[in-house]
Amino acid sequence: ETGVTQSPTHLIKTRGQQVTLRCSSQSGHNTVSWYQQALGQGPQFIFQYYREEENGRGNFPPRFSGLQFPNYSSELNVNALELDDSALYLCASSLAAGRSYEQYFGPGTRLTVT
Amino acid sequence: QQQVKQSPQSLIVQKGGISIINCAYENTAFDYFPWYQQFPGKGPALLIAIRPDVSEKKEGRFTISFNKSAKQFSLHIMDSQPGDSATYFCAAHKAAGNKLTFGGGTRVLVKP
Repeated sequence: ETGVTQSPTHLIKTRGQQVTLRCSSQSGHNTVSWYQQALGQGPQFIFQYYREEENGRGNFPPRFSGLQFPNYSSELNVNALELDDSALYLCASSLAAGRSYEQYFGPGTRLTVT
Repeated sequence: QQQVKQSPQSLIVQKGGISIINCAYENTAFDYFPWYQQFPGKGPALLIAIRPDVSEKKEGRFTISFNKSAKQFSLHIMDSQPGDSATYFCAAHKAAGNKLTFGGGTRVLVKP
């Protein structure tokens, strides 16, 4: 059973640029959620995708967008990067039903915006 | 709006001691209250979870106590070991939207 993988591991971008982060979900999981974790804080829910559709969104602006592909992998896109976007971005996969509170997290992508 | 409040922010305990982490929530629409453990450089991993109609759940050295009327729940780590040194997050799960709301985290250090 393959776990959740994310790429890249680290990324440095300049303010105003755009970034795409990628996630492969755990085998058998059809739901992918993205979280932003600032240093020393808990993960904050960005949005979730189920069957290639956005299935819920947290308090993040529209410049945060995503995609889910037929194989359940996912992308997080952030446009017009701001310094405050510097954080660890976590992807988590889960089942849509049953133990849906059990989300399997990847190791994250550390984004630094300068 | 912080819907799940966690305390303390950090905790130092001697090996063999008990670590206690507390959380309080506001929204009553949550259906599960999981605890996640995060080691440096890793994503959070589910440790143990409880439903709001259960007052206590124990798995090995980890116990969740849940007080529905007070909207509070806590994690007890018995016989704490140096390998338990990590950051612990309480969370609340809402079935609608399959969304997890996390607390701010507690950094636990177990001294040998």
